[in-house]
Amino acid sequence: DTAVSQTPKYLVTQMGNDKSIKCEQNLGHDTMYWYKQDSKKFLKIMFSYNNKELIINETVPNRFSPKSPDKAHLNLHINSLELGDSAVYFCASSQGMVGQPQHFGDGTRLSIL
Amino acid sequence: AQRVTQPEKLLSVFKGAPVELKCNYSYSGSPELFWYVQYSRQRLQLLLRHISRESIKGFTADLNKGETSFHLKKPFAQEEDSAMYYCALRIPGKLIFGQGTTLQVKP
Repeated sequence: DTAVSQTPKYLVTQMGNDKSIKCEQNLGHDTMYWYKQDSKKFLKIMFSYNNKELIINETVPNRFSPKSPDKAHLNLHINSLELGDSAVYFCASSQGMVGQPQHFGDGTRLSIL
Repeated sequence: AQRVTQPEKLLSVFKGAPVELKCNYSYSGSPELFWYVQYSRQRLQLLLRHISRESIKGFTADLNKGETSFHLKKPFAQEEDSAMYYCALRIPGKLIFGQGTTLQVKP
């Protein structure tokens, strides 16, 4: 009974392509996040949404566009993929705003060829 | 600027030895700090938070405002403690993570 699930788990694609990563949580949380973990394992927040509204956009290139159709979903669409986008992307959720325990997904490993 | 620093990328100890994973923060406000852990092939999960003042899996962490530190300690390391540990600072609107420390406990 997965709490935060992301698909796909692995994504290998060519530079210049457009791709999406989906995230769903079944915990009834109202805040969802996207994080990027780079090759050095550094974890950095990209976006957070509370009740489908964007709260944080951390100077992420506008090639990255999050979409929250409802409170349980936060998808990440990436246009014109670049080599530097290769990373593991984690989705997370929490009840209420940041600071409450965040539940993380398994991550999506994106590799750009 | 707000920052979390974990100076050790890798900490390797033998089973039964004491462990201390260092975390220092920089923040002018009232800090709220957490430790998250990621075991091999598992998702990142909350280990403990300073306001709870609890011990989880034998780990404790004390907030030292004078030294701006929140080091994670365990008196006797176990092999199953091997994992990646992240220290995180909550500021209004977001969590800032440190670079992470890989703890390797050898038999």
